[in-house]
Amino acid sequence: DAGVTQSPTHLIKTRGQQVTLRCSPKSGHDTVSWYQQALGQGPQFIFQYYEEEERQRGNFPDRFSGHQFPNYSSELNVNALLLGDSALYLCASSLEDRFVEQYFGPGTRLTVT
Amino acid sequence: AQSVTQPDIHITVSEGASLELRCNYSYGATPYLFWYVQSPGQGLQLLLKYFSGDTLVQGIKGFEAEFKRSQSSFNLRKPSVHWSDAAEYFCAVGAEDYGGSQGNLIFGKGTKLSVKP
Repeated sequence: DAGVTQSPTHLIKTRGQQVTLRCSPKSGHDTVSWYQQALGQGPQFIFQYYEEEERQRGNFPDRFSGHQFPNYSSELNVNALLLGDSALYLCASSLEDRFVEQYFGPGTRLTVT
Repeated sequence: AQSVTQPDIHITVSEGASLELRCNYSYGATPYLFWYVQSPGQGLQLLLKYFSGDTLVQGIKGFEAEFKRSQSSFNLRKPSVHWSDAAEYFCAVGAEDYGGSQGNLIFGKGTKLSVKP
């Protein structure tokens, strides 16, 4: 049973650039959530996608956007990168009828220089 | 406002000793409660969850947690810690409220567990 996968594992970008992170949900799951985990902190909710639409959003600026594809995979895009965007970005998947029970991928470590 | 508090930033226990990690939450609706574990540089692994019913829940790796509504707590316990349990532990609260779209998890800041040989 394939778990949640994310790519790439690590990424280094320069301030002002744009980045795209990818996530494939656990087999059978249809809902994808994204979280940002800064060093030494707990994960913070960015947004959640279901049926290719953003269902809920946390307190993140519009520079953070996402997409969900018909196969339930998802992308997180961040524009105009800031140094403060350096973090571990975690994708979690769940079933729509129990979307709060979330299973996490290994994360993408983004470093902005 | 919804919040999760993990009062202990860092705990050190001896291998074979018992463990209790504290978690307190503030949430207006009926909460769903979770404990996750994170090894360095890794993602989060779900240890256990509470949705309803028996307030003592069993999880993987020999962990258990008890939901106490009167204390707004969901403490994690293990009777005998192994060196491989050294990691960071996160408590989280969530609720499935379609009206309010409360589908996200709110995490505490984590407790780092070190295990002495």
